[in-house]
Amino acid sequence: GAVVSQHPSRVICKSGTSVKIECRSLDFQATTMFWYRQFPKQSLMLMATSNEGSKATYEQGVEKDKFLINHASLTLSTLTVTSAHPEDSSFYICSAKTGALYEQYFGPGTRLTVT
Amino acid sequence: AQSVTQPDIHITVSEGASLELRCNYSYGATPYLFWYVQSPGQGLQLLLKYFSGDTLVQGIKGFEAEFKRSQSSFNLRKPSVHWSDAAEYFCAVGGGNSGYALNFGKGTSLLVTP
Repeated sequence: GAVVSQHPSRVICKSGTSVKIECRSLDFQATTMFWYRQFPKQSLMLMATSNEGSKATYEQGVEKDKFLINHASLTLSTLTVTSAHPEDSSFYICSAKTGALYEQYFGPGTRLTVT
Repeated sequence: AQSVTQPDIHITVSEGASLELRCNYSYGATPYLFWYVQSPGQGLQLLLKYFSGDTLVQGIKGFEAEFKRSQSSFNLRKPSVHWSDAAEYFCAVGGGNSGYALNFGKGTSLLVTP
């Protein structure tokens, strides 16, 4: 149980285009989803927290107009990188939790490369 | 400020040897503590967690960790390392002012030699 999927696993896009990454909880209802970014050989940095049906809460320094997060249902959250640039190339990981539990379940990650 | 420190960036151990990965935290409230493992290009897998109760917690793959409040530590241990344990290990802390979000350490890269 507690499986989180991400799609796509890898994506290559041209500079200036937008890319959407999906995060799904497959067997539980995710009241809260988190989006992290991980640079090579570095730790995970929290980008934003989203609660179903509410606007996402972004961490300091994360541009909300560039990284659009939608959490329209209890099983799906999307991260859209708008007008992507090479510096946006990174590994994006989502996680999900349910209710008042602290444990988060992580997706397998999406490798974004902007050329 | 809340923080998580993993003092060792890289650790190399021989297969069959014991392992201890260090994690120290600075939190104002009682923390919720986690250890995750990440293989190259993969997501994170939860090894174990501590919320309350017995301070020695058992996890998957033969790992255990001990919460020591007096030392603000949550070190991960394994009595005998296998080559398949080579990966990146992250300590994470939640609770307090961070709410449900997790604060991750910088990670420790484990290399296992034959």
